[in-house]
Amino acid sequence: GQQLNQSPQSMFIQEGEDVSMNCTSSSIFNTWLWYKQDPGEGPVLLIALYKAGELTSNGRLTAQFGITRKDSFLNISASIPSDVGIYFCAGQPYTGTASKLTFGTGTRLQVTL
Amino acid sequence: DAGVTQSPTHLIKTRGQQVTLRCSPKSGHDTVSWYQQALGQGPQFIFQYYEEEERQRGNFPDRFSGHQFPNYSSELNVNALLLGDSALYLCASSSQGSGLFGPGTRLTVL
Repeated sequence: GQQLNQSPQSMFIQEGEDVSMNCTSSSIFNTWLWYKQDPGEGPVLLIALYKAGELTSNGRLTAQFGITRKDSFLNISASIPSDVGIYFCAGQPYTGTASKLTFGTGTRLQVTL
Repeated sequence: DAGVTQSPTHLIKTRGQQVTLRCSPKSGHDTVSWYQQALGQGPQFIFQYYEEEERQRGNFPDRFSGHQFPNYSSELNVNALLLGDSALYLCASSSQGSGLFGPGTRLTVL
């Protein structure tokens, strides 16, 4: 099945550093979502984006909905050890409905002290 | 509210067997979606149930089937298990929007 392309695949950073990751698709989505998944758990929604060009923040997290509707970006500022995990982007074809999610390949983040 | 619950947490099957996984949605949610997450991959959409009917389906063979009950809970059935069916199976419930994921069932096929 289709998976969105995420980069980087993994990254090691030091506590306090900023992190950037992105997600690209060959097709258009009308909703972009960012999830974090910890070992042994299901994905947890971090940020949802509903409009092309939209920039949304949730604490230290900021995400943008690409203007072409084919990409999205997630930034984490001043990383802390609990930011460790796998981050997934997901696209949804329709806004405000329970339509299926197409997930990215994931970015594994490891934070060193 | 316990959120989305799934059972069992883990199970081990052998090739050719059949398995049933269960999902109880968050209170107030009427739509259940199932995803397969292979090791090191993102979740892949299997199908979605609403009003006890399959509403959307991903690119999975007919060996994967499901059911939704009047109380909105759902089952995922997989027949004739293959080694490649080993994965984390996630259930997500929603009323509209992206939904809430459960912790998953880890299926190992030997």
